[in-house]
Amino acid sequence: DGGITQSPKYLFRKEGQNVTLSCEQNLNHDAMYWYRQDPGQGLRLIYYSQIVNDFQKGDIAEGYSVSREKKESFPLTVTSAQKNPTAFYLCASRPRTGANTGELFFGEGSRLTVL
Amino acid sequence: KNEVEQSPQNLTAQEGEFITINCSYSVGISALHWLQQHPGGGIVSLFMLSSGKKKHGRLIATINIQEKHSSLHITASHPRDSAVYICAVQGDKLIFGTGTRLQVFP
Repeated sequence: DGGITQSPKYLFRKEGQNVTLSCEQNLNHDAMYWYRQDPGQGLRLIYYSQIVNDFQKGDIAEGYSVSREKKESFPLTVTSAQKNPTAFYLCASRPRTGANTGELFFGEGSRLTVL
Repeated sequence: KNEVEQSPQNLTAQEGEFITINCSYSVGISALHWLQQHPGGGIVSLFMLSSGKKKHGRLIATINIQEKHSSLHITASHPRDSAVYICAVQGDKLIFGTGTRLQVFP
């Protein structure tokens, strides 16, 4: 079945360590997104990519990095520079870029806890 | 003031009740999404609409572009409908509401 796979589902990290969250989709979608969810807040955009080898910063990109070397993959690295990394991270994709980009598809999320 | 406001924040219902969740927004949009987030965290898209009304099973979504308002209705609610329902609007960017937590008791 087509969909988005995020891994790991749960991740614990010590302060000062970088971690990478995986996001893979087999939907042949052009656009992919990373969101962060904190209690009591709406999803906030970290990074997005509309095409392979290109990506843009979202509203809260500081302390994060991404790559888009393949259409189906959009990994997110949470670096040690991210001041408050403990959160729930969601990856999403959409069929097209620009206006009217179609229905959103989400992964199951990755919960990162910094000890 | 948030650009997307949902009400209520929390909602409790008995099985079988008719549920309404509201979403008001203050920006120009091309589409509005209703999403369902399960207790485990995964999110499923329920509707994407830009005008009028859509129906899928027991779920109905309406939007009034002039009033900048959308509603999600659940008829004959069931405990498995318990989830967080999120409204998101597509303008220059996608803006998410903070969600409505629904609990349906048998």
